Amino acid sequence: NAGVMQNPRHLVRRRGQEARLRCSPMKGHSHVYWYRQLPEEGLKFMVYLQKENIIDESGMPKERFSAEFPKEGPSILRIQQVVRGDSAAYFCASSRGGGLMNTEAFFGQGTRLTVV
Amino acid sequence: DQQVKQNSPSLSVQEGRISILNCDYTNSMFDYFLWYKKYPAEGPTFLISISSIKDKNEDGRFTVFLNKSAKHLSLHIVPSQPGDSAVYFCAATSNNAGNMLTFGGGTRLMVKP
Repeated sequence: NAGVMQNPRHLVRRRGQEARLRCSPMKGHSHVYWYRQLPEEGLKFMVYLQKENIIDESGMPKERFSAEFPKEGPSILRIQQVVRGDSAAYFCASSRGGGLMNTEAFFGQGTRLTVV
Repeated sequence: DQQVKQNSPSLSVQEGRISILNCDYTNSMFDYFLWYKKYPAEGPTFLISISSIKDKNEDGRFTVFLNKSAKHLSLHIVPSQPGDSAVYFCAATSNNAGNMLTFGGGTRLMVKP
């Protein structure tokens, strides 16, 4: 399967713990996007990264959330000191390039985070 | 401030009939629009897109119509099939948004056999 791979698929954390979500983009894709879907809502943009660079993090909460896309390895979305309101499905998408002609971003299956 | 809105949370259609899903947007900078289909416990799957220089794009049973003056687009599925039952998300972006998509809240389509 050469699609966007996210792991884990399900993650349960107690309040105050850290959550790490991983995303491996499709082969040949250098642009990664993280989206969050709260229950009964649409997907909300969080952050857009290219290799070793954060391009746009305007959708990311200012505290406790961080993202990286290192030169080697998957993109990581890190949530520190999780709270119940962080419970959601987190989707990663990747695309070959930016700009209008490459807007068909491909999504992974998501990580469902449950904070207990 | 919801820049992309899907006002119908759900739609029920008989198999073989037409399904029409609607989407409105407020940001006049949006110039590219996409529809995604999502099954439970899966990620969204790209369906069809349209550039603002067009008013219609067709791909098999799926057609997207864009009315720029009304800031409205719609997805037509004809004929509808039970396998089309899913949540459909409308999304929009602009040339300088770097592929960042703004999504609507989704419409759950149920196609009855």
